[in-house]
Formats: sequence, structure tokens, C-alpha cells
Amino acid sequence: NAGVTQTPKFRVLKTGQSMTLLCAQDMNHEYMYWYRQDPGMGLRLIHYSVGEGTTAKGEVPDGYNVSRLKKQNFLLGLESAAPSQTSVYFCATRDNPSYEQYFGPGTRLTVT
Amino acid sequence: AQSVTQPDIHITVSEGASLELRCNYSYGATPYLFWYVQSPGQGLQLLLKYFSGDTLVQGIKGFEAEFKRSQSSFNLRKPSVHWSDAAEYFCAVVSLFSGGYNKLIFGAGTRLAVHP
Repeated sequence: NAGVTQTPKFRVLKTGQSMTLLCAQDMNHEYMYWYRQDPGMGLRLIHYSVGEGTTAKGEVPDGYNVSRLKKQNFLLGLESAAPSQTSVYFCATRDNPSYEQYFGPGTRLTVT
Repeated sequence: AQSVTQPDIHITVSEGASLELRCNYSYGATPYLFWYVQSPGQGLQLLLKYFSGDTLVQGIKGFEAEFKRSQSSFNLRKPSVHWSDAAEYFCAVVSLFSGGYNKLIFGAGTRLAVHP
């Protein structure tokens, strides 16, 4: 039982490159979230999903896209990376109606 | 607007000393509150949560927190700190939306250093 896993753990991109971060969960949770963590700012919600085939914008969605084609996977895409997207990205899941969120180990992304 | 404030960015304590990390929230209704811990290079682990009932909640690793509605606070405490407690601690409140996605609003975090 792996819980929430994220791939990759680290990545360095050049400005303008694209990439996809994968979040996978084996807990059968309906809700999934993508956050970014920046120093002194805590975690901020990028996008979220309330179930397979659904996605919606969070607080800081610009420059990101997401897809949830399968219940267990939530993908975060950067179409044209910018240095401002250098951050640590966390995926989290939640089982309705609980409010508790379970976090993955994070992906550290650097855009040069 | 809903918010969480952690007034202390860094705290240093000696091993064996007591610890209190402060958290204040701004929320119109009864809050659902969490404390998470993040060890270096790791994800976030839930320490404890408050939903209702007893205002003193016990968590893992010997931590406890007290909810005080009159002060809009949810401070985290530990009577005797261990070197392995060095980490970053985040307070969070659930923001309830009619859409049901119930996001977490996080404080900026408090980084704890422990001196031997």
C-alpha cells in the first residue's frame, strides 16, 4: 500500500520546456489536489479534482493544466515552463466526507 | 478572507525543553484545524486535527494542541522536544466551499531547530 506517490522526485527544466508531473494514489480517494510550496508562503492550491474526469482551478492556476482520466492518477502539466514555476509541488488526496488530506513526497522543480 | 497566521518563522529550542508553536486563524464558522509536520526533503505528515468536541487534542509523536475559540488560536505543544523534532510545522484550516472541494489554507510555516 504505497499511499500517494509522485513522479519524478526532482527535475530541472529550461525556460519554455514542457513537462508533466504524475500523482498516483492507491487509496481510492475521490478528491485530489495539486499544491505548490514556496518559502514563506506555505502551500497554495493550483488545481483540484473532485472525481474522475473532473478538474477545477485553485488559487494559482496560471501556467498549469491538469487531467484526471483515471481515478487513481492526477497529472499536472507545464506547457511552457517559467522561472517563477520553480517550486516544490505536492499532490494530496482526500476521501469524502473526511477533511483530512494525505500528501505525497513532493517533486522539486527548478526552471532555469 | 480566511487565513492562517503562524507568527514565528523560526524557533530554536534545546533538546528536552518544552515547545509551543503558535497558530491563529481567521474563519467565520467553526473551523476544522490541522497541524502538519514536514521533515527536510519529505512530504507533509499529519500530526493532529481538531473538528469538534474536546478542545485539547492529542496527536502523534507526543504532540498536543489546544483550540481556543475566544483567541482564534490552535497552538501546538510538546512537553519535551527531541532532536528528531527538528522540522517545519504547518498549521492549516479547512475552507468549506459549496462546490465541496474543501481546500486547506496553510500558514507560512514555522521552522524548528533543536540544539543538543
